[in-house]
Amino acid sequence: QPVLTQSSSASASLGSSVKLTCSLNSGNSYYIIAWHQQQPGKAPRFLMKLEGSGSYNRGSGVPDRFSGSSSGADRYLIISNLQSDDEADYYCETWDSYSRVFGGGTKLTVL
Amino acid sequence: EVHLLESGGDLLQPGGSLRLSCAASGFTFATYAMNWVRQAPGKGLEWVSAISGDGRHTYYADSVKGRFTISRDNSKDTLYLQMNSLRAEDTAVYYCAKDRGMTTLSYEDFWGQGTLVTVSS
Repeated sequence: QPVLTQSSSASASLGSSVKLTCSLNSGNSYYIIAWHQQQPGKAPRFLMKLEGSGSYNRGSGVPDRFSGSSSGADRYLIISNLQSDDEADYYCETWDSYSRVFGGGTKLTVL
Repeated sequence: EVHLLESGGDLLQPGGSLRLSCAASGFTFATYAMNWVRQAPGKGLEWVSAISGDGRHTYYADSVKGRFTISRDNSKDTLYLQMNSLRAEDTAVYYCAKDRGMTTLSYEDFWGQGTLVTVSS
């Protein structure tokens, strides 16, 4: 089963851009992942599906400030023009036929 | 608009049992797989279980296998999680989430608001 690794925290200034990383372990670099956002005290929200090719599909109502890209075993969530309500935990996940796994999450602070 | 509403969370003692429900609306419930995902206080997301759209296929995390049972009633658009032999480490907010897949697993594209289960003596 794949393992997903995320940095525990990140920070960036209001109005700037940030790139969050989700890394797949060796041998699993082809996996598709999904990104989810969890604002403080709220339920998670699906942001996008992201393939190894870098192709991504945003969820319903997700602003185009959120984009994705891939390089090898790394999957990226890029947030441009950071807003205060982008301050949240961001989780990546992947799945196979019988189970799914989440990364540990990255806590994003907007300065 | 997709809407998922969990219920059934409670405070109970170790060894106890509880059934969670998730009422779904806004989509053809029987078409899609469904999931339960939990989040312990201050911790990250942990997948618990999933069930195919027709209910024939079920999947469990190792941490709950043999203790939890997922089921669905497609005539009522409702998902269930029967939890037995509860432990302190099962304490979490339990989220119901719609899967993008139908028979096999894919990603969750809609989430409920969650229901809190507390296991404590």
